[in-house]
Amino acid sequence: NAGVTQTPKFQVLKTGQSMTLQCAQDMNHEYMSWYRQDPGMGLRLIHYSVGAGITDQGEVPNGYNVSRSTTEDFPLRLLSAAPSQTSVYFCASSRVTGRLAKNIQYFGAGTRLSVL
Amino acid sequence: DAKTTQPPSMDCAEGRAANLPCNHSTISGNEYVYWYRQIHSQGPQYIIHGLKNNETNEMASLIITEDRKSSTLILPHATLRDTAVYYCIDVPQAAGNKLTFGGGTRVLVKP
Repeated sequence: NAGVTQTPKFQVLKTGQSMTLQCAQDMNHEYMSWYRQDPGMGLRLIHYSVGAGITDQGEVPNGYNVSRSTTEDFPLRLLSAAPSQTSVYFCASSRVTGRLAKNIQYFGAGTRLSVL
Repeated sequence: DAKTTQPPSMDCAEGRAANLPCNHSTISGNEYVYWYRQIHSQGPQYIIHGLKNNETNEMASLIITEDRKSSTLILPHATLRDTAVYYCIDVPQAAGNKLTFGGGTRVLVKP
């Protein structure tokens, strides 16, 4: 079972470069989201989506774009990388189901990004 | 900002129960208590959640006080593999996929 797959695992960028972090899930989940985690801190929400064609901003959206053309994929684009975007990026997917409105988020293994 | 408060760190002896506290001072009636953990460098992993009753699954037990202002995650027999950062999170029923993480509790299980 693949679950949530993130690529690449590691990336080094120069300031001003652009790139796309890929996220794919094979669980047919409606919800997907992107978080970043800086050293020693908890995760912060960047953008999220409640279904194909629907996205919204989270806590720290500046400098990032997203789109959701399919249920499976939710790419995160860095338009012009800055050193402040050096972080570990996690993608997650979930759906609400069953008893206690169960909404388990499944996280990918993360992408470690360094911007020089 | 995170709405929950947790101790920054705690140690636990292997084989003993680990009791992780969490304060939910501003929790509202439609918010659930969720616990996740993050083993070093990995993505967070769901553990358990509840609304107002105690819950148990194969990983842990969750105790929620009657006023819902505090909860305790219990790992009944801690192993070295339970060393991780544990997060308690208040999640509105309609939150979908928006989680607000705090700093969590760094748990070190010692032999």
